Amino acid sequence: AQSVTQLDSQVPVFEEAPVELRCNYSSSVSVYLFWYVQYPNQGLQLLLKYLSGSTLVKGINGFEAEFNKSQTSFHLRKPSVHISDTAEYFCAVSEQSYKYIFGTGTRLKVLA
Amino acid sequence: GAGVSQSPRYKVAKRGQDVALRCDPISGHVSLFWYQQALGQGPEFLTYFQNEAQLDKSGLPSDRFFAERPEGSVSTLKIQRTQQEDSAVYLCASSLGGEAQYFGPGTRLLVL
Repeated sequence: AQSVTQLDSQVPVFEEAPVELRCNYSSSVSVYLFWYVQYPNQGLQLLLKYLSGSTLVKGINGFEAEFNKSQTSFHLRKPSVHISDTAEYFCAVSEQSYKYIFGTGTRLKVLA
Repeated sequence: GAGVSQSPRYKVAKRGQDVALRCDPISGHVSLFWYQQALGQGPEFLTYFQNEAQLDKSGLPSDRFFAERPEGSVSTLKIQRTQQEDSAVYLCASSLGGEAQYFGPGTRLLVL
């Protein structure tokens, strides 16, 4: 069965520093991969998605992620974070179907 | 354009009370999903509609949970005889095809 692991429950980082949020998945078939951001008391906003093609995916707000099939990873990166990036980030996988499996989330805290 | 909307945003119910949560998907989106998000967790799949047909309800936790989408647009998630363990955020998402799901702001349900 497919699963998603976000090992870091919380990541503190200083403003303007780079950040990487880790996501690993398990699946025996081809997958679609997603990163969503959730601000307090709001729903999930799509940051970026990998469906096929280039393994480096660029999303909104300066975020990017790289699909690594051999390591079954889809880590999210941003070269310079802002205070406004403070939020919860969720990685999700689907086996090219409608059903998404989400990780437990990583809380990014950007410090001034 | 308008995104997914949900109402009410907050609901407090007494244990044993019935509740109904509404979702208005993005216009033209044929697929609609309901998720349950417990505190500190990622969303968990509840059910999936394609137009008015409920194609998957495998995630509904008990027969007290019921969802419908009678005209293929607005959907209602109903929970009968609410229990304290039903307290969570209920998220609705819609999609045009199989590529990405777009989420509403959620309904935060608190059962006392």
